[in-house]
Order: sequence, then C-alpha cells, then structure tokens
Amino acid sequence: NAGVTQTPKFQVLKTGQSMTLQCAQDMNHNSMYWYRQDPGMGLRLIYYSASEGTTDKGEVPNGYNVSRLNKREFSLRLESAAPSQTSVYFCASSENDRVDEKLFFGSGTQLSVL
Amino acid sequence: GENVEQHPSTLSVQEGDSAVIKCTYSDSASNYFPWYKQELGKRPQLIIDIRSNVGEKKDQRIAVTLNKTAKHFSLHITETQPEDSAVYFCAASIVQGAQKLVFGQGTRLTINP
Repeated sequence: NAGVTQTPKFQVLKTGQSMTLQCAQDMNHNSMYWYRQDPGMGLRLIYYSASEGTTDKGEVPNGYNVSRLNKREFSLRLESAAPSQTSVYFCASSENDRVDEKLFFGSGTQLSVL
Repeated sequence: GENVEQHPSTLSVQEGDSAVIKCTYSDSASNYFPWYKQELGKRPQLIIDIRSNVGEKKDQRIAVTLNKTAKHFSLHITETQPEDSAVYFCAASIVQGAQKLVFGQGTRLTINP
C-alpha cells in the first residue's frame, strides 16, 4: 500500500514548455487534489476532483489543467510553463470531499521554470 | 474570501519547553480546523484537528484550542523533542460552493537541544 504516489520528484522546464505531473493513489479514495506550496504562502489548492469524472477549480487554477483519468489517477498539466509556476506541487487524496476528511499527501514535485 | 493568518512564521524553542502557534480566520462559518505537520523534505501529515463545537482537544503532547468568538485557534506542543522540528500548517474550512480548506502560511518550528 504505497498511498499517494506522484512523479516526477524534480523537474526543470524552460519558459513555454509543457509538462504533466502524474498522481496515483491506491487507497480507493474518491477525491483527489493538487496543491502548490510556495514560501510564506502555505498550501494553495489548484484543482480538485470530488469524484471520478468531475473536476473543479481551486484558489489558483490559472495556467493549469487537470484530468481525472480514472478513480486512481489525477494528473496536472502545465501547457506553457511560466517562472511564476516555480513551486513545490503536492497531490493529495481523501476518502470523499467532505472538508473534514483527512488529506493524504504525495511526496511532492519540485518544479523550476527558467 | 477566507483568510487564514498564521503566526509566528518561525519559532525556536529549547528542548523540553512548550511551543505555541496561533492562527486567525475571517469566515465566521468556518467549522473545521486541522493542523498538518511537514518534516523537512517530507509530505504534510495531519496531526490533530478540531471542530467548532469543541473548545479544546488533546492528543498526548499536542493540543489545539479554539476561540470561535475571537476567530482564532492555536496549536500547543508541550515537552518539545527534536522530532517536533518541522513546518506546521493550520487550516480552516470555507464554503465556496463546496466546502474547502484554506491553509495558513506555515510556521517553521526548530527545537534546540
């Protein structure tokens, strides 16, 4: 039982390049989330998926797209990376989308956009 | 929108002493307040939470208190140990369509031996 697995762990992009961050969970959770973590700003929600087949915007969705591929997998795509997207990205999952459900986080992706 | 302010941003205490981290929130409808701990280079993990119908909750050396009138809640760690060194995030629930969490900015706690 690996929990939440996200890849890659590190990535360097040039401005304008695209990439997809992958996330998978093996806990049979219904809800999945993408957060970004910036110094002094805590964790900010980018997109979430309350259940398979649904996705919704969070606090900071601009410049990102997501796909809930199936119940296990939730990917985050940067179509045209910008330096402002340099951050640490965390995928998370929870049993359902009740706000008081425990979030299980992945190990993070350190992304640098030059 | 909901704003969660967390203080201090850094905190250094001697091993064995107590540490207190405070958060304030703006939405009076907030009713769930978790705390996550993130050790260096690791993923955030839930350590304790409190709901708005409770004023205090304890779990061994950690406790959380909630003052709904003043809209603030605090994390208390007693008898601190080196393994308590980490970044701690508070969060508060908000209602924006669906209920979501808004996180504070984080507090880097260092326990000095």
